[in-house]
Amino acid sequence: KAGVTQTPRYLIKTRGQQVTLSCSPISGHRSVSWYQQTPGQGLQFLFEYFSETQRNKGNFPGRFSGRQFSNSRSEMNVSTLELGDSALYLCASSQDRGGQPQHFGDGTRLSIL
Amino acid sequence: QKEVEQDPGPLSVPEGAIVSLNCTYSNSAFQYFMWYRQYSRKGPELLMYTYSSGNKEDGRFTAQVDKSSKYISLFIRDSQPSDSATYLCAMYQTNSGGSNYKLTFGKGTLLTVNP
Repeated sequence: KAGVTQTPRYLIKTRGQQVTLSCSPISGHRSVSWYQQTPGQGLQFLFEYFSETQRNKGNFPGRFSGRQFSNSRSEMNVSTLELGDSALYLCASSQDRGGQPQHFGDGTRLSIL
Repeated sequence: QKEVEQDPGPLSVPEGAIVSLNCTYSNSAFQYFMWYRQYSRKGPELLMYTYSSGNKEDGRFTAQVDKSSKYISLFIRDSQPSDSATYLCAMYQTNSGGSNYKLTFGKGTLLTVNP
């Protein structure tokens, strides 16, 4: 069974630009979550999507948004990029049954110049 | 107080040693507990998953949960150089409907196993 796939693996952007990251979950997984990982803050929860609806949201500004498609694939968008947005962005998918563990992709490394 | 505390290390041990990694948490609503391993430039990989107090064993790995003390541990027996990675504890809480998850991570412990 294929794992979680994230594209692209690496991105370099400049301040003020916007970026879209993509995530394909494990087949049959309907819940997709996004995380930001930095050396200082560790893994921080951005949001979770289920059945094309945002079901849970972390404490990030509105510049961070996402969506989920009918095939469970998800995209994350960051607008007006800031230097502090440089991070590894991780996507995780899970089955939607009481606390099932999440399985992660290898992430998109975003660097802001 | 952070919801999940994990000693960041780094931790360096000789090959064959028993490794103990620990996390404490403050939120008694956490019900499901996981350990992930993350190699450099890779995403976290699920190692262990449990939801009850006690021990769960999988090969060289044992996960231990003590809900009364709000303390979880991961033990690695006969550690190998390939175990060198960052180990992250994570835990879920759910709402009364069982469908509103919040997965909270520790900061991770960097482990090096020396040949």
